[in-house]
Amino acid sequence: EDQVTQSPEALRLQEGESSSLNCSYTVSGLRGLFWYRQDPGKGPEFLFTLYSAGEEKEKERLKATLTKKESFLHITAPKPEDSATYLCARRGFGNEKLTFGTGTRLTIIP
Amino acid sequence: GAGVSQSPSNKVTEKGKDVELRCDPISGHTALYWYRQSLGQGLEFLIYFQGNSAPDKSGLPSDRFSAERTGGSVSTLTIQRTQQEDSAVYLCASSPGTGLKAFFGQGTRLTVV
Repeated sequence: EDQVTQSPEALRLQEGESSSLNCSYTVSGLRGLFWYRQDPGKGPEFLFTLYSAGEEKEKERLKATLTKKESFLHITAPKPEDSATYLCARRGFGNEKLTFGTGTRLTIIP
Repeated sequence: GAGVSQSPSNKVTEKGKDVELRCDPISGHTALYWYRQSLGQGLEFLIYFQGNSAPDKSGLPSDRFSAERTGGSVSTLTIQRTQQEDSAVYLCASSPGTGLKAFFGQGTRLTVV
């Protein structure tokens, strides 16, 4: 069964304090690992797709990495506007659905 | 519009009534998903449409839930005889094709009273 586990559930950082969010996933048959950002009252906004171990993608203060069993979302020198819930999802072979984790609620304190 | 559009944005209904939620995907996107997000829960897959293929209905929680996609574009999610546990945000997403990233709408917040 596809499973995605995110940690921590919530994270409070001071502005400028770098950290990482973790996403562990069912390894077998991975066809894509996705990161989304969700603001309150809005739908998830696509950030990154990763397909193979060792792959990295960056966008502004965010960098997503993928190993054989987990993915990390690194946030460097965050700003208050980076506060949101960050969702990780996997897609496996045999179907098109995305299986989501429950997210990490990130708060950046000015 | 440029994005996925969902209507209504909010819906309050009485227990036992039927509701219809609408999704207009991004033009040209062949794949369409419905998800449900309950308070404090992750996104729960409901159904997936791809072109003219038979939909993947494996996530529908009961036979009170159904969805259709007409002409490969607009989709409607119908919940019959609504229950309080159906209260959630229903999210629609579309994708240019199989295996590609999905773009989400703003969701419909359904409250069953």
